[in-house]
Amino acid sequence: ETGVTQSPTHLIKTRGQQVTLRCSSQSGHNTVSWYQQALGQGPQFIFQYYREEENGRGNFPPRFSGLQFPNYSSELNVNALELDDSALYLCASSLLSGGGSNEQFFGPGTRLTVL
Amino acid sequence: DAKTTQPNSMESNEEEPVHLPCNHSTISGTDYIHWYRQLPSQGPEYVIHGLTSNVNNRMASLAIAEDRKSSTLILHRATLRDAAVYYCILRDSGGDKIIFGKGTRLHILP
Repeated sequence: ETGVTQSPTHLIKTRGQQVTLRCSSQSGHNTVSWYQQALGQGPQFIFQYYREEENGRGNFPPRFSGLQFPNYSSELNVNALELDDSALYLCASSLLSGGGSNEQFFGPGTRLTVL
Repeated sequence: DAKTTQPNSMESNEEEPVHLPCNHSTISGTDYIHWYRQLPSQGPEYVIHGLTSNVNNRMASLAIAEDRKSSTLILHRATLRDAAVYYCILRDSGGDKIIFGKGTRLHILP
């Protein structure tokens, strides 16, 4: 069973640029969630995709957008990068079951630095 | 989502049990109590979850108070590899997202 993978591992961008981060779900999972983790903080929920549709969004501006593909892999796109976007971006996959009882499996994250 | 309160940090000696507390006084009847941990330079990993009854798995035990307003994660015999940030999280029946707090940073002393 393949776990959640993310690419790239590290990325450096400058203010105003755009970035795309990628995530491959664990086999059999149909739901992907993205989180932003600033240094010293807990992860903050960005949004979730279930069967290629957005299924919930946290308090992030529209320049954070995403996609989920038929194979359930996913992309996170961030436009007009700001210095505060520097963070670890985590992807998590799960089998959406509702009821609050299922487990999410996290990838190792992509470390984004905005200069 | 209901909030949880955890100590910022705790210390424990290697090979001794560790009890990590969590308060969640505004928990609703359908909220599950989940624990995740994040080792250095890794993504969070699931530890355990429960609803009303105490739970055991290969990693830990979860003790839930009778009124469900608090819970305790128990590591029976801490090792250096258990040094991590431990997050206590409430998840309702409506969605799949996880709302993280700041967690408890657990230090294990050799």
